[in-house]
Amino acid sequence: AQRVTQPEKLLSVFKGAPVELKCNYSYSGSPELFWYVQYSRQRLQLLLRHISRESIKGFTADLNKGETSFHLKKPFAQEEDSAMYYCALRVGATNKLIFGTGTLLAVQP
Amino acid sequence: DGGITQSPKYLFRKEGQNVTLSCEQNLNHDAMYWYRQDPGQGLRLIYYSQIVNDFQKGDIAEGYSVSREKKESFPLTVTSAQKNPTAFYLCASSIDRASGYTFGSGTRLTVV
Repeated sequence: AQRVTQPEKLLSVFKGAPVELKCNYSYSGSPELFWYVQYSRQRLQLLLRHISRESIKGFTADLNKGETSFHLKKPFAQEEDSAMYYCALRVGATNKLIFGTGTLLAVQP
Repeated sequence: DGGITQSPKYLFRKEGQNVTLSCEQNLNHDAMYWYRQDPGQGLRLIYYSQIVNDFQKGDIAEGYSVSREKKESFPLTVTSAQKNPTAFYLCASSIDRASGYTFGSGTRLTVV
């Protein structure tokens, strides 16, 4: 079955602390994974995708096929990073995405 | 200003009535999608359309219907057959597989 699991509903850290938002997937094909972010009162937007191997706003994510994971990391959290983060898996030949249940990141001052 | 427009932002309907949510984009994107967002359940795909005059059911299509007569428009009708229609509905579009989704601002539907 195709599935994306984000085990943490809420992750609370202090400013300057490292952040790791967990994402695991289940998919028999070649996975393509994304992280989306929703800041307060803003639209859901793309943060990064694994094929780009990019760093956006200090965040990185590495696809680990052995562990079927795509965890989102940032070495030093900022208060403006507080938001809802969704991991998503593209399935099949279409651009259809399966989303996880999301993790709310709260960065305390 | 290019983007996706969902209207209305808030919608109230009586139980048993059909209601149509609007989604319009001027991004020239071929593909469009409807998701439902519920607390603790993330986003679940209702319907998607890869091209005009074609659409496919997503994971939770029962009680919903769509049309794609124009590239710019992908309206979603929530029918009286949908058992639990109160939710936040998100529309999105994409230009190709390499790109991510562009999301609308959503419509919050409350059925009383």
